[in-house]
Amino acid sequence: DGGITQSPKYLFRKEGQNVTLSCEQNLNHDAMYWYRQDPGQGLRLIYYSQIVNDFQKGDIAEGYSVSREKKESFPLTVTSAQKNPTAFYLCASTSAGANGYTFGSGTRLTVV
Amino acid sequence: DAKTTQPPSMDCAEGRAANLPCNHSTISGNEYVYWYRQIHSQGPQYIIHGLKNNETNEMASLIITEDRKSSTLILPHATLRDTAVYYCIVRVEQKAAGNKLTFGGGTRVLVKP
Repeated sequence: DGGITQSPKYLFRKEGQNVTLSCEQNLNHDAMYWYRQDPGQGLRLIYYSQIVNDFQKGDIAEGYSVSREKKESFPLTVTSAQKNPTAFYLCASTSAGANGYTFGSGTRLTVV
Repeated sequence: DAKTTQPPSMDCAEGRAANLPCNHSTISGNEYVYWYRQIHSQGPQYIIHGLKNNETNEMASLIITEDRKSSTLILPHATLRDTAVYYCIVRVEQKAAGNKLTFGGGTRVLVKP
């Protein structure tokens, strides 16, 4: 079945370390997105990519970086510059004409 | 994209219909109404969307007022598994990939036995 896979499901990081969250989709979708969700809050857009080798900052891009070298992959790196990285991270994808966005199951990042 | 207003929470009895309201008074003529839901600790799930006509699928019905300033998502027979946060979003038609999806606070629905 087609879908989006995020890994790992849970991730622990020491302060000052960079960490990369994986997002892979086999839906042949053109666009991919990264959202951050804090407890009891809605989703906030970090970065998005409309096409391979191109991406744009979302509303809260500071302290994060992405790459889009392949259509099916959109990894997110949480850098040490992100002051409060503990959150639930969601990846999504879509294409023109699709019925909405497809989301992954999320990665819960905790800084220890 | 137009802003939406939803009640922060509501309860519903199992087996009864759940009616979730959404106000979008600044909606533009080319903006659709989308509904998603997020079960705890999972990614949001697409439910339904519409422009001006009422829509129905296997999950829910969407009723949009004639002036399009508000809409109601109807879960016809709520089950305990429908307990989730429901998000109402308005945005332009997805003719091109890359349109951003902006989420508000949503409505936290609790289905009780």
